[in-house]
Amino acid sequence: AQTVTQSQPEMSVQEAETVTLSCTYDTSESNYYLFWYKQPPSRQMILVIRQEAYKQQNATENRFSVNFQKAAKSFSLKISDSHLGDTEMYFCAFRGSARQLTFGSGTQLTVLP
Amino acid sequence: EAGVAQSPRYKIIEKRQSVAFWCNPISGHATLYWYQQILGQGPKLLIQFQNNGVVDDSQLPKDRFSAERLKGVDSTLKIQPAKLEDSAVYLCASSLLAGEETQYFGPGTRLLVL
Repeated sequence: AQTVTQSQPEMSVQEAETVTLSCTYDTSESNYYLFWYKQPPSRQMILVIRQEAYKQQNATENRFSVNFQKAAKSFSLKISDSHLGDTEMYFCAFRGSARQLTFGSGTQLTVLP
Repeated sequence: EAGVAQSPRYKIIEKRQSVAFWCNPISGHATLYWYQQILGQGPKLLIQFQNNGVVDDSQLPKDRFSAERLKGVDSTLKIQPAKLEDSAVYLCASSLLAGEETQYFGPGTRLLVL
């Protein structure tokens, strides 16, 4: 069974600064997808960024980028130029051959003015 | 394109009562998922449908939980009888069968069992 670990329950960053959220996972599969979702207080999961395991190039979406280290089974999220609106709960998730998502326990990010 | 719809958004019931949640996935999405998210945790899969067939219900407490997806579109999740520990947010998600199969989530139903 796959496991996803987010070791930082809470993090904070000053507005306009850069922050990195960490995520590690464990799997025996070679082909899989990794995701970062954010969850506002309304509880709807919103996709932030997606990475295919077979791609060596790290995914980037505007201010959001990942550092994917397949051998180390690490998938961190970097948020550049942090905005107050980035204050959210962030979840790392793994999807393998079973198609279901396995989530980490989440990291609450607070952007300070 | 309309997103995943869920209702109700909130529900408060007493233990041993029954409750049902409804989900309408994005049009054309063959795969539908129900997740349970307990406060302070990440969502955990309860059941996965592909069209109207069950793919995985290994984590569904079948003595009290049931789910169906008639005609391969809408789905209902039922709890009968509810326990205090069922208090959680129930998230529905859907995805295409092919491609990267990104899952898109609905707003969830927040259940409080008293």
